[in-house]
Amino acid sequence: SQTIHQWPATLVQPVGSPLSLECTVEGTSNPNLYWYRQAAGRGLQLLFYSVGIGQISSEVPQNLSASRPQDRQFILSSKKLLLSDSGFYLCAWSLTSGRNEQFFGPGTRLTVL
Amino acid sequence: QQPVQSPQAVILREGEDAVINCSSSKALYSVHWYRQKHGEAPVFLMILLKGGEQKGHEKISASFNEKKQQSSLYLTASQLSYSGTYFCGQGTDSWGKLQFGAGTQVVVTP
Repeated sequence: SQTIHQWPATLVQPVGSPLSLECTVEGTSNPNLYWYRQAAGRGLQLLFYSVGIGQISSEVPQNLSASRPQDRQFILSSKKLLLSDSGFYLCAWSLTSGRNEQFFGPGTRLTVL
Repeated sequence: QQPVQSPQAVILREGEDAVINCSSSKALYSVHWYRQKHGEAPVFLMILLKGGEQKGHEKISASFNEKKQQSSLYLTASQLSYSGTYFCGQGTDSWGKLQFGAGTQVVVTP
């Protein structure tokens, strides 16, 4: 069966500090991978998605970046965090194509102070 | 532009029914429904595809009107476990990108 991991689970960072969130998927090959952000009490905002190694599409211009160095690894980064970067960050995977459901990881709750 | 969900919130007693609607201004390839409990990740409920194909959990039903670009999720004989926030996600192509609505909060009381 497939599993998706995210770490860390919670993170408190000062404004201006760097960020690295990691997501890994087990039990499947060549998945589509997604990063979402959810502000408190709000919906899910798609930040990045990837259909393969090194292939990243950005949906929202911001100070965040994403990388996919391996087939089942997806990393979200920032060089300098802003207060507005606080939120619940969710990684998701799906089989290729939009005919398949997305499976979400447990999420990382980021607080920028 | 994100899909519009209605109502924003609904309170039900156990055993009652409810309908959650999701409307889009775009031509849709797929509609996905997820439920999220407080502090947890969203969980897949149902996917409806252009052309009529559906897949999801047995106890959940939904419809997709392709002409109107509207989808509805039906909560029948609600249980306490149905409480949570329901999100619809709209897919406009076959790549899998989704835009989610703002969510509908459902509270089921005993």
